[in-house]
Amino acid sequence: DGGITQSPKYLFRKEGQNVTLSCEQNLNHDAMYWYRQDPGQGLRLIYYSQIVNDFQKGDIAEGYSVSREKKESFPLTVTSAQKNPTAFYLCASSRQGPFAQDTGELFFGEGSRLTVL
Amino acid sequence: LAKTTQPISMDSYEGQEVNITCSHNNIATNDYITWYQQFPSQGPRFIIQGYKTKVTNEVASLFIPADRKSSTLSLPRVSLSDTAVYYCLVGGGSQGNLIFGKGTKLSVKP
Repeated sequence: DGGITQSPKYLFRKEGQNVTLSCEQNLNHDAMYWYRQDPGQGLRLIYYSQIVNDFQKGDIAEGYSVSREKKESFPLTVTSAQKNPTAFYLCASSRQGPFAQDTGELFFGEGSRLTVL
Repeated sequence: LAKTTQPISMDSYEGQEVNITCSHNNIATNDYITWYQQFPSQGPRFIIQGYKTKVTNEVASLFIPADRKSSTLSLPRVSLSDTAVYYCLVGGGSQGNLIFGKGTKLSVKP
């Protein structure tokens, strides 16, 4: 089945550690996105990528880093510089990039829940 | 950037029609309006998308007035399984970033 796979589903981290969340898609989509969701809140955009080897900061990029070496993969690293990393992280993709006239449907993964101990 | 405003919560009963309105006063010419549904601890799921007038699919209708400064998601005959958070999303075109609002938490009661 085509879709987006995020791993791990649950992750615990000690303060000061970097962690990397995986996001893989087999939909042949050009664009990929990372969002953060806090309890009772909406989704906030961290980073997005329109094509391979290109990515742009979203509203809350500080303390995060990404790479887009392959079309299928868009991993997110939560660095020790992120002061409040405990959250639910969602990866998404779309057929066309965010600058396309038609935003197209966003396909989301099941999410990764990160807890800092 | 086109920000959106939605009611924080709504209550309904099974079998009723539910209308959720989203305000987006700064919508740009090329922006589309998209609605998503999210259940707890899951990723949002696409419901419907439109640009102007009315769009209908098998699960919902989307009404967009001529000035496009608002839109209304209509869910016919809701059931308990429609209890979720509904997000109105405005974006694409020249603005790039896809901005989600805080969503509307719909509670359907028996």
